[in-house]
Amino acid sequence: AQTVTQSQPEMSVQEAETVTLSCTYDTSENNYYLFWYKQPPSRQMILVIRQEAYKQQNATENRFSVNFQKAAKSFSLKISDSQLGDTAMYFCAQTLNMRFGAGTRLTVKP
Amino acid sequence: DVKVTQSSRYLVKRTGEKVFLECVQDMDHENMFWYRQDPGLGLRLIYFSYDVKMKEKGDIPEGYSVSREKKERFSLILESASTNQTSMYLCASSLTKGGGYNEQFFGPGTRLTVL
Repeated sequence: AQTVTQSQPEMSVQEAETVTLSCTYDTSENNYYLFWYKQPPSRQMILVIRQEAYKQQNATENRFSVNFQKAAKSFSLKISDSQLGDTAMYFCAQTLNMRFGAGTRLTVKP
Repeated sequence: DVKVTQSSRYLVKRTGEKVFLECVQDMDHENMFWYRQDPGLGLRLIYFSYDVKMKEKGDIPEGYSVSREKKERFSLILESASTNQTSMYLCASSLTKGGGYNEQFFGPGTRLTVL
């Protein structure tokens, strides 16, 4: 089965610091898309950032960026200048097979 | 803004009951999905639909069925609820144009408890 693995169930970071969430995946396809979604406490899941596998350039959205290593099948999320509102569950996803990781619970501490 | 709504935020049912979870999206999306979310397991796909009256099994379809009679509505049915179906159920929708590039838009979820 093609899977998505998030090895960090929980993480914490001080406000204004940088944190990196890890994700690895398994696929035999050459062209696919990877996503990070955020689920704040008691709120709806929303898209954070997406990456197209055929693009070498890492995607960036304001304070959020990814480190995409296609050969290693690694797709980590870096959050810079962490804010209290970043506290949430973060899910890595590969939509080729609608597969999501188990999630990382991130807490930003004041 | 895309809006995906689910009929209930919280639901409590008894073992053996037939349960209907409703999902409606207002952006004319072709694709709709049902996931269940469990701690430590993330989201697991139950069923998805890429068109009216079309459905495809996901990773964990056993004990569930779905119905899509109209483009905007996708229903999840638990024919005979069991305690191991206690979970958070998330509905999502996405466009087909653009393929897998398209993000999924999620509803608020239904927390189902089966006693």
